[in-house]
Amino acid sequence: GQQLNQSPQSMFIQEGEDVSMNCTSSSIFNTWLWYKQDPGEGPVLLIALYKAGELTSNGRLTAQFGITRKDSFLNISASIPSDVGIYFCAGSISNFGNEKLTFGTGTRLTIIP
Amino acid sequence: DTGVSQDPRHKITKRGQNVTFRCDPISEHNRLYWYRQTLGQGPEFLTYFQNEAQLEKSRLLSDRFSAERPKGSFSTLEIQRTEQGDSAMYLCASSFSTYEQYFGPGTRLTVT
Repeated sequence: GQQLNQSPQSMFIQEGEDVSMNCTSSSIFNTWLWYKQDPGEGPVLLIALYKAGELTSNGRLTAQFGITRKDSFLNISASIPSDVGIYFCAGSISNFGNEKLTFGTGTRLTIIP
Repeated sequence: DTGVSQDPRHKITKRGQNVTFRCDPISEHNRLYWYRQTLGQGPEFLTYFQNEAQLEKSRLLSDRFSAERPKGSFSTLEIQRTEQGDSAMYLCASSFSTYEQYFGPGTRLTVT
């Protein structure tokens, strides 16, 4: 099935650095969601975006809903060890994120000691 | 714990056997979703329910896959005559009407 394109595929950073990742689609979505997944666990919802151009923060995380509705961005400021994991974007045609989600390919974040 | 729960967390089965997974959604959530995730990929949608009605099942991977939610609460996903290609993480998520989806911890299936 379709998967959204996430970039970069992986990141190796030092603790305290800021992180930026993005997600692009050939289709328009009405809701963008960002999830974090640890090994052997299910995805955990981080941020939900509902309107083109919207910028939403959750602690050190900030996400934006692209104007074209075909992309979204996630930034993490001042990274800490517990930020390690795989970050997935997901798009929904629903205005509320309650229809089937199309997921990205993931960005793996590793913190170098 | 009031989150989505899944059982079992891990299942090892031999090729050709049938397996059934259970998902218990967050109690007030009326929508329930099943996804499959293979190694290195994002979750892939399979099917979903609103209460006991299965609203979309076109993405179920073959007629060996079936899902039920008989009383609009918990759901089961059954795979008949398992194949090695069925090895994956099976994820369940739930939502309440107009809210976002929350995922359970998943069931890891290994077919030998």
